Amino acid sequence: NAGVTQTPKFRVLKTGQSMTLLCAQDMNHEYMYWYRQDPGMGLRLIHYSVGEGTTAKGEVPDGYNVSRLKKQNFLLGLESAAPSQTSVYFCASSFPSGGAGGELFFGEGSRLTVL
Amino acid sequence: TQLLEQSPQFLSIQEGENLTVYCNSSSVFSSLQWYRQEPGEGPVLLVTVVTGGEVKKLKRLTFQFGDARKDSSLHITAAQPGDTGLYLCAGVSMIKAAGNKLTFGGGTRVLVKP
Repeated sequence: NAGVTQTPKFRVLKTGQSMTLLCAQDMNHEYMYWYRQDPGMGLRLIHYSVGEGTTAKGEVPDGYNVSRLKKQNFLLGLESAAPSQTSVYFCASSFPSGGAGGELFFGEGSRLTVL
Repeated sequence: TQLLEQSPQFLSIQEGENLTVYCNSSSVFSSLQWYRQEPGEGPVLLVTVVTGGEVKKLKRLTFQFGDARKDSSLHITAAQPGDTGLYLCAGVSMIKAAGNKLTFGGGTRVLVKP
C-alpha cells in the first residue's frame, strides 16, 4: 500500500525559478493538504482541498498555488521561488470527520532548497 | 489565529527514565491529536483525545487532555531508544469549518540514549 507519495524528494532551485511538487494518494481520501515544516515551527498549512476541483488557503499561502484536478492528486506550485521558501514540504490526506478531527496521513516529505 | 505551544523544545534522557511533554494554548480545541515523526518521514498519528479530562494510554505512553480543552500532556514511562523522535501536538478547531484543519505545535524533539 503506497499511501501518500510525494515527488520529488529533493530539489534545489535558484531564486526566481518555478517548480511543482506532486502529491498522490491511493486511499480515496476527500481531503488533501500541503504543509511546510521549518525548525521549531512545527507544521504550517499552506493550502488544502476538500474535494476534487476545490482548493482553499491555509495559514501561509503567499507565493504558492495549488490544483486538485483529480481526487487522488494535489499539486503545489512555486511560480517564483524565494530563499524564504526553503523548507521541507509535506502532503497529507484524510477522510472528512466531525469534531474529533480525522487522522492525517502524511507523505515522506520533499526537501526544497532555494539558493 | 490559534496557537499551540509545546515545551520543552528538546529533551535528552537516559533509557529507563520518564519524561513529560506539554502542549498549551489560550484557545479551546474540539479535540487534540498527538503525532510522532522520525527523521526523513512524515508524522504518524499516535492518539486523539476528545473529552476534557480524558486520559488515554498507549503502552508506556499516557496522554491527557486538560479539563478546559486548552492543553494536553504526553507522559512516557521508562523511555526506550525507540521512543526517540519529534512529538507534535495538533489541535482541531472548535469552529466547524470544512477541512479537518489542524493547528500544530512547534514540536518536542526527544532523544533517548541507551
